This record gives sequence, C-alpha cells and structure tokens, in this order.
Amino acid sequence: DQQVKQNSPSLSVQEGRISILNCDYTNSMFDYFLWYKKYPAEGPTFLISISSIKDKNEDGRFTVFLNKSAKHLSLHIVPSQPGDSAVYFCAASASTSGTYKYIFGTGTRLKVLA
Amino acid sequence: DTEVTQTPKHLVMGMTNKKSLKCEQHMGHRAMYWYKQKAKKPPELMFVYSYEKLSINESVPSRFSPECPNSSLLNLHLHALQPEDSALYLCASSQAWGPYGYTFGSGTRLTVV
Repeated sequence: DQQVKQNSPSLSVQEGRISILNCDYTNSMFDYFLWYKKYPAEGPTFLISISSIKDKNEDGRFTVFLNKSAKHLSLHIVPSQPGDSAVYFCAASASTSGTYKYIFGTGTRLKVLA
Repeated sequence: DTEVTQTPKHLVMGMTNKKSLKCEQHMGHRAMYWYKQKAKKPPELMFVYSYEKLSINESVPSRFSPECPNSSLLNLHLHALQPEDSALYLCASSQAWGPYGYTFGSGTRLTVV
C-alpha cells in the first residue's frame, strides 16, 4: 500500500514558467513533509519542509502548500530554470508514532526546457 | 563541511563475499540512516541510528549488518548477499532523529553477481 503517491511520473515546463509538483498521502497521522530533488548519480538533496500546523512555506523560488483536508501537498517552483531538471520526491512522517520514519513517494521527473 | 561522504561509489561483489559500505559526516549530526533504492522506486528505510544507538531496523535480513563506531561514522557490513540486493544504498544524516531534513550522500551502487 503506497501511503505517499506522486501520480505524475514526469513533467515538462518551459524555462521561466511555474512548475507544480503534486503529492498525495493516505495516512491522516502524517504531520511533517519534506521535498527532495535528485540528480542522476547523486543522493537526494533536501529542498523544503512543511509542518501540518502550516499550510504554506516559502524558500526563495520554492513554495510548498499543504491541504490537510485533501491530504495533498504541492511544490511550486517559480521561475523554473533548466538546472531544476531532476527527480523530485516528497516524503512524509507521523511524529505521533514516536518515530520519524519518512515514507517517500515514487518521484516526479521534472524537465525544464530552455 | 556540509556533506555526507559514502565509499565506495560502486561495488561489485559475489554472493559469498564479505564487504562493507562506509558513510561519514562531520556536521555534528546525531542521527544517521541507511536507505536502499531500487531503480524507479523511492528510497526505503533500512536502519536508523540515534546517538550511535540502533533505533530502527526495518526488518532487514541479517545479511545486512549496520555499525556505528562513533558519531561521525556509519558502516553497513554485507555478507552472503543475493542478486536481488543489487541497488543504490544511500546514507543520510540529520541534526537529530526528528522533524529535520536529511543530508544524503551520493550513494553506493551495489551489484551482486
């Protein structure tokens, strides 16, 4: 049972436009969420996080939105740059479990076209 | 130093071999992790060390044996692996075991023949 889902395996966006990557989860106990990006032959790089007490978090060109009622989060990248081309993973954890075991989604490959 | 360093980057081993993967960080992080990632799949947690103590073992087969000699080092000892164990093995660390972003290493690409 995939508790964290990224239903779009790939996404292409023109340089300068907005990239929106989506992530859905099924476990209502999840209360902390992370986004990572991964280039080929490298480990994932932490991008941005959001706690369930917030519905939005911004860091430069990256903004994460959380809709708890829909169990949905999204990562917005504005403006998109060719260097943003990578695989993006969302991850979720439930602090109430007493552990912080992150469950990763399957990833979305973003391609930013110059 | 803001990196997690993993060695070797590539490893080919036979099913009867014994080998070790190494991971090192000098960020003062007190939690370290091993993840396994198969092609086109998300990373899957294997082990969590918090303050050098094993806190989580995700029912990993005993042919994988983790070790945390000190707060900067994490090893994964491999013995009698199967071809299906071939994968990218990722080490990560975080400030503590909690709501923190992880810093990942670039991984060891393991092939079992």
